[in-house]
Amino acid sequence: QKEVEQNSGPLSVPEGAIASLNCTYSDRGSQSFFWYRQYSGKSPELIMSIYSNGDKEDGRFTAQLNKASQYVSLLIRDSQPSDSATYLCAGGGGGADGLTFGKGTHLIIQP
Amino acid sequence: IAGITQAPTSQILAAGRRMTLRCTQDMRHNAMYWYRQDLGLGLRLIHYSNTAGTTGKGEVPDGYSVSRANTDDFPLTLASAVPSQTSVYFCASSDILGANVLTFGAGSRLTVL
Repeated sequence: QKEVEQNSGPLSVPEGAIASLNCTYSDRGSQSFFWYRQYSGKSPELIMSIYSNGDKEDGRFTAQLNKASQYVSLLIRDSQPSDSATYLCAGGGGGADGLTFGKGTHLIIQP
Repeated sequence: IAGITQAPTSQILAAGRRMTLRCTQDMRHNAMYWYRQDLGLGLRLIHYSNTAGTTGKGEVPDGYSVSRANTDDFPLTLASAVPSQTSVYFCASSDILGANVLTFGAGSRLTVL
């Protein structure tokens, strides 16, 4: 069974600091990985995708993938209170059956 | 505005009743999905569809059925609702099969009493 594991948190980070979110996955066939942000009562929104080993940067966000260790991470630099949300890690095998999601990490940015 | 429309936004339903959650997308995405989200359990896939006319079972399909008569619509039906189906239901779509970049609807909150 495909599994994606995340620490549920809450993870509390001071404003302006770097928030580090981590995720591991069980399915070695997974080829694509995503980070979604979900505010309370809202739907998930895509913030980062990563398909190959290494780092991918987009503004304040950096996604990191290590397929050998089956590990995905998300770094948020210069954290803002508006970054407070639940972050969902997801993996997909490239097939037709959608993504497997982790349960999410609740991130709190303290002003 | 292009996207996914779900209806109803919220519904309270008596156990044993039939309910259809509607999902329509205007992005011409070929793949569509239904997920449920429960506290402590995260998002779990119920059913999916690669293209019009085809559907598949996800992780938690029991008690649910879907149809895909055309590209845009992907309704989810609960034939006889039970309290354990109380959840928030999200419809999603992706533009390229296997690319897995999902766009989500706003969700439908269903309470079964």
